[in-house]
Amino acid sequence: EAQVTQNPRYLITVTGKKLTVTCSQNMNHEYMSWYRQDPGLGLRQIYYSMNVEVTDKGDVPEGYKVSRKEKRNFPLILESPSPNQTSLYFCASSSKTGSFYGYTFGSGTRLTVV
Amino acid sequence: AQSVAQPEDQVNVAEGNPLTVKCTYSVSGNPYLFWYVQYPNRGLQFLLKYITGDNLVKGSYGFEAEFNKSQTSFHLKKPSALVSDSALYFCAVSPQGYSSASKIIFGSGTRLSIRP
Repeated sequence: EAQVTQNPRYLITVTGKKLTVTCSQNMNHEYMSWYRQDPGLGLRQIYYSMNVEVTDKGDVPEGYKVSRKEKRNFPLILESPSPNQTSLYFCASSSKTGSFYGYTFGSGTRLTVV
Repeated sequence: AQSVAQPEDQVNVAEGNPLTVKCTYSVSGNPYLFWYVQYPNRGLQFLLKYITGDNLVKGSYGFEAEFNKSQTSFHLKKPSALVSDSALYFCAVSPQGYSSASKIIFGSGTRLSIRP
């Protein structure tokens, strides 16, 4: 089944403790992206990657890092999480012309930073 | 600034009645337009898209959307609502067309509630 897999689904952590949210897709998509979803704000793009070793900032990149060493994986790294990063996170992927076909989304990771 | 607006936080409709979820956008050029639906504890699912051609686009689950270039709108519609349509709906716009996949702008979402 074609899908985007995120792990974990739920995560509670403490301020300052580094964490990684994994994202993997099995559709050979070139393009991957991370979004955070907050009430009343919709989805805001954190980082995106056009292909292996090519990443760029989205609208809200502060406090996050990403890497794209393999085509299928696009982990989101929070080096020193803070409470304002408590949110619902989505990974998405698309083919090279993703704007044409739209995204495939993962099921989300609900992160709570205390 | 490029943006997408969903003016209603919530839309309440009785089952069997028609529904409309509104979306307007402000982007340059000829954008691609999308609707996504999110059910509780799930990721976003693609409903339909407008690229070019007929202004009325049909999608999944009986939904359709009408593109209006002069009003820069892309309203989601369904002739007869079902309770199972209750979910969070997002309008999205890609301002860069088919030449790039780097940017899709999402609206803030509209919660659709269908009462039996």
